[in-house]
Amino acid sequence: AQSVTQPDIHITVSEGASLELRCNYSYGATPYLFWYVQSPGQGLQLLLKYFSGDTLVQGIKGFEAEFKRSQSSFNLRKPSVHWSDAAEYFCAVGAGEYGNKLVFGAGTILRVKS
Amino acid sequence: GAVVSQHPSRVICKSGTSVKIECRSLDFQATTMFWYRQFPKQSLMLMATSNEGSKATYEQGVEKDKFLINHASLTLSTLTVTSAHPEDSSFYICSADVEAGDDYGYTFGSGTRLTVV
Repeated sequence: AQSVTQPDIHITVSEGASLELRCNYSYGATPYLFWYVQSPGQGLQLLLKYFSGDTLVQGIKGFEAEFKRSQSSFNLRKPSVHWSDAAEYFCAVGAGEYGNKLVFGAGTILRVKS
Repeated sequence: GAVVSQHPSRVICKSGTSVKIECRSLDFQATTMFWYRQFPKQSLMLMATSNEGSKATYEQGVEKDKFLINHASLTLSTLTVTSAHPEDSSFYICSADVEAGDDYGYTFGSGTRLTVV
């Protein structure tokens, strides 16, 4: 069965520092991969997605992620974090017959210190 | 971009009553919508897949008689929590498939915080 692991429950970075959130997945075929961000009490906003093609994916708000098949990873990065990036981040893989049922990781809470 | 509107954002109900949550796709048609549940400080778990004009498909362990899903039109899916109990208190979020040319993805509603007292 498909699964997603986000090994870091909490991460704290200083404003202006770089960020990398880890995500590992388990899936038999080429996966559909997603990163979402959730602010407290809010829904999810899509940051970026990977379906095929270029393994380095650019998203909104200056985020990017790199798909590495050999490592089964899809880590999220940002070169310079802003205080407004503080939120919870979820990695997800598309499951099911059509890849449209999302299996989420446990999430990583990002704290930004000034 | 594609927007999914979810209503209400918060609801408090008494034990034993039923609560209906609406999920609407704005400016696009959604033949498939998904309902997720998020427990406090936990991730999202898929409850069911809502298919326009047919019965919903429920994930293992989800009681279909308790969580009634209706997808009567291409822009509206509803989740009704019947005979609600305090353990049903949770954050419920819907999402919809979005297809627009080469852009394909899933748009989420803003969620509904259900509290059963």
